[in-house]
Amino acid sequence: GAVVSQHPSWVICKSGTSVKIECRSLDFQATTMFWYRQFPKQSLMLMATSNEGSKATYEQGVEKDKFLINHASLTLSTLTVTSAHPEDSSFYICSADGVAQETQYFGPGTRLLVL
Amino acid sequence: GNSVTQMEGPVTLSEEAFLTINCTYTATGYPSLFWYVQYPGEGLQLLLKATKADDKGSNKGFEATYRKETTSFHLEKGSVQVSDSAVYFCASPTYSSASKIIFGSGTRLSIRP
Repeated sequence: GAVVSQHPSWVICKSGTSVKIECRSLDFQATTMFWYRQFPKQSLMLMATSNEGSKATYEQGVEKDKFLINHASLTLSTLTVTSAHPEDSSFYICSADGVAQETQYFGPGTRLLVL
Repeated sequence: GNSVTQMEGPVTLSEEAFLTINCTYTATGYPSLFWYVQYPGEGLQLLLKATKADDKGSNKGFEATYRKETTSFHLEKGSVQVSDSAVYFCASPTYSSASKIIFGSGTRLSIRP
């Protein structure tokens, strides 16, 4: 149980295009999901907290108009990287809040390469 | 706020060697402490956790003891395998929100056959 999936697993796009990444909790409902980005050989950086039915809360320094988050249901959150540029190339990981306190379940990640 | 600091890698060991990856924390109170593992090309998996001082978390032969005297949560394994090659992250909830987790910088572990 407690499986989180992400789609796509990797994507290559041209500079200036937008890319949507989906994060799904497959066998449980997640009121809260989190989006992280990870640069090569670095730790995870929390980008935003996504709450079902409400606006996402962005961490300091993360552009909310650049990284659009939608959490329309208890099993799906999406991250859209708008007008992507090469510096947006990264590994994006989502996680979903588990039933037990302080438990998060992580997706396998999406590798984005912007040319 | 809470923070975790872990030893920098990479760490390279031979199979069956003893492993220690150091992690220390600074926190208000005594938050839960976690070790996550990230295998190549994958997301993070919770390896083990401890919710209070003196607790020992264990899983897959790995252990870590929550020591408030030294504010540490070092990860240990008595005999590593090639399949343990991964990046290991020490982590803790933030002070402001138990739902948010802060991660250490990660330690890359490589095991030679």
